[in-house]
Amino acid sequence: GQQVMQIPQYQHVQEGEDFTTYCNSSTTLSNIQWYKQRPGGHPVFLIQLVKSGEVKKQKRLTFQFGEAKKNSSLHITATQTTDVGTYFCAVNTNAGKSTFGDGTTLTVKP
Amino acid sequence: DAGVTQSPTHLIKTRGQQVTLRCSPKSGHDTVSWYQQALGQGPQFIFQYYEEEERQRGNFPDRFSGHQFPNYSSELNVNALLLGDSALYLCASSLKSNSPLHFGNGTRLTVT
Repeated sequence: GQQVMQIPQYQHVQEGEDFTTYCNSSTTLSNIQWYKQRPGGHPVFLIQLVKSGEVKKQKRLTFQFGEAKKNSSLHITATQTTDVGTYFCAVNTNAGKSTFGDGTTLTVKP
Repeated sequence: DAGVTQSPTHLIKTRGQQVTLRCSPKSGHDTVSWYQQALGQGPQFIFQYYEEEERQRGNFPDRFSGHQFPNYSSELNVNALLLGDSALYLCASSLKSNSPLHFGNGTRLTVT
């Protein structure tokens, strides 16, 4: 089945610095979803990308889907303490199963 | 509009025991998926229920079973508990099989 690998596993930044997490696959992905899980919380859906080369923005967050649909990235501009948490990418198959990466945990030093 | 609700929030069981976890989907959702999340890892897909039937299953043994009721709520049952079953169990609902997942707060299961 489709597998996704996320890097880095951890990222520590100073408040105001930028942050990027990457999601990679050896196979072509039908779509990619991004979720955020706050410490002690549950995953919350952020966005879904479907088209090759797609770029979507949500305020300070920019999501990209690679041209070959084998990788994706999430970039946060000027991080804030409210951005702390673990960011997961997930691929959803047509059969309904979502496979998650192991996430990138972001900590922000004020 | 209630989101996904799960019960109980925490549970402590002994090896060999059986456990039942419950989930009510978000209003309007008809598909329920269960995930196991170990500490420091991403959610691992257990199975998905739609129209009261198991539609998809992940790499979990038969000790893990489930059920979906006519009102779309769902149960996850785990028999013969092992220490390694200790994890956060997340229920997620969706309207269609490939639409975004809405997660509940999870049930934290500890097996001693």
